[in-house]
Amino acid sequence: ETGVTQTPRHLVMGMTNKKSLKCEQHLGHNAMYWYKQSAKKPLELMFVYNFKEQTENNSVPSRFSPECPNSSHLFLHLHTLQPEDSALYLCASSRTEHEQYFGPGTRLTVT
Amino acid sequence: KNQVEQSPQSLIILEGKNCTLQCNYTVSPFSNLRWYKQDTGRGPVSLTIMTFSENTKSNGRYTATLDADTKQSSLHITASQLSDSASYICVVSAGSGGYNKLIFGAGTRLAVHP
Repeated sequence: ETGVTQTPRHLVMGMTNKKSLKCEQHLGHNAMYWYKQSAKKPLELMFVYNFKEQTENNSVPSRFSPECPNSSHLFLHLHTLQPEDSALYLCASSRTEHEQYFGPGTRLTVT
Repeated sequence: KNQVEQSPQSLIILEGKNCTLQCNYTVSPFSNLRWYKQDTGRGPVSLTIMTFSENTKSNGRYTATLDADTKQSSLHITASQLSDSASYICVVSAGSGGYNKLIFGAGTRLAVHP
């Protein structure tokens, strides 16, 4: 276990649904990240939070809405997704410039 | 453009054999290079991290090399085991670090067969 947990592990949702992904880190890190991993593609950075403040939004569509209430928790709120949003969503955390520790991911399927 | 290219895309080897995975990068300025192992349905787990001045770093049966002049890295796996079946991802950090300067390769999918 890396100290980063994600729930749910699997999620199937329709295009009109609203759901949320949750990430929690128990490592005392100050930075948290959301990544999207599609088949045979490199990980795509979506959002970065440092000390609860969003420091990066890599042109992510507004149907993805992050929330970081504190340094240990990170959410990704989803609404009106498209089938091409189906992917593995990975959360990671780090302490400043040290390596990132990844959670197990949420496998999302949009029908 | 900052890029990380990995080869091969996929690889099948027999248990007990050695293999080498390649990573070429065009990232500037270079900060460090990491190799991650990602089991199916899991998040990536760090194997090694190397800075500009390091040529080689080992972690058990995994040995990573770095040639900063040719901008190439390799990950050598010795005496492969079935549990080595996974994707191996090369990640290069650009600049002086920072949270959003990691460049990811697409990974090499390794299958170890008995």
